[in-house]
Amino acid sequence: DAKTTQPPSMDCAEGRAANLPCNHSTISGNEYVYWYRQIHSQGPQYIIHGLKNNETNEMASLIITEDRKSSTLILPHATLRDTAVYYCIVRVSASGATNKLIFGTGTLLAVQP
Amino acid sequence: DAGITQSPRHKVTETGTPVTLRCHQTENHRYMYWYRQDPGHGLRLIHYSYGVKDTDKGEVSDGYSVSRSKTEDFLLTLESATSSQTSVYFCAISERGIGSNQPQHFGDGTRLSIL
Repeated sequence: DAKTTQPPSMDCAEGRAANLPCNHSTISGNEYVYWYRQIHSQGPQYIIHGLKNNETNEMASLIITEDRKSSTLILPHATLRDTAVYYCIVRVSASGATNKLIFGTGTLLAVQP
Repeated sequence: DAGITQSPRHKVTETGTPVTLRCHQTENHRYMYWYRQDPGHGLRLIHYSYGVKDTDKGEVSDGYSVSRSKTEDFLLTLESATSSQTSVYFCAISERGIGSNQPQHFGDGTRLSIL
């Protein structure tokens, strides 16, 4: 199973872009990269996912390098409400009927006023 | 937000007692999951279900059992609770499983304390 590596914590000024990196050097060709976040005392919230092309939705953008060994989640204009732990996950391509997610310890993003 | 309700939201109980946590969804999704979250471990998968009466073990299934008698409900049971099962438990759902890139959506969790 592909593993991910994220910095344990990052700071970002309110209103600026937050760029959260993730390394997944052992990712295989059919594994997607997912990003979730967890605000204190709440359940994880899905943000975005991608395979090899860059993706954008109303919450964030996902940039995946051409070799797929790393990716960056971009929050274009961070607000205080974006303070959370952000998880980068590579989906396990299981042979059974599931899409299990394996969570690491994530990056604590602290948005500063 | 996905229609996922976990109950109870908080529970305190004693070692050796049985405990059942409930996850209820209104999305009619086929796949449901139970995770536990502990400091330093992130979220770990306990059990999951890929249909009514179809379940399988996750990474930390010892001491837990599950049941799914209808699409909308997934129950997690601790037959004889131990202090090591003190944790926050999250239920998740997804529309499809194998070969799918559909994301999982999570409930707000149950905080369980076993004294």
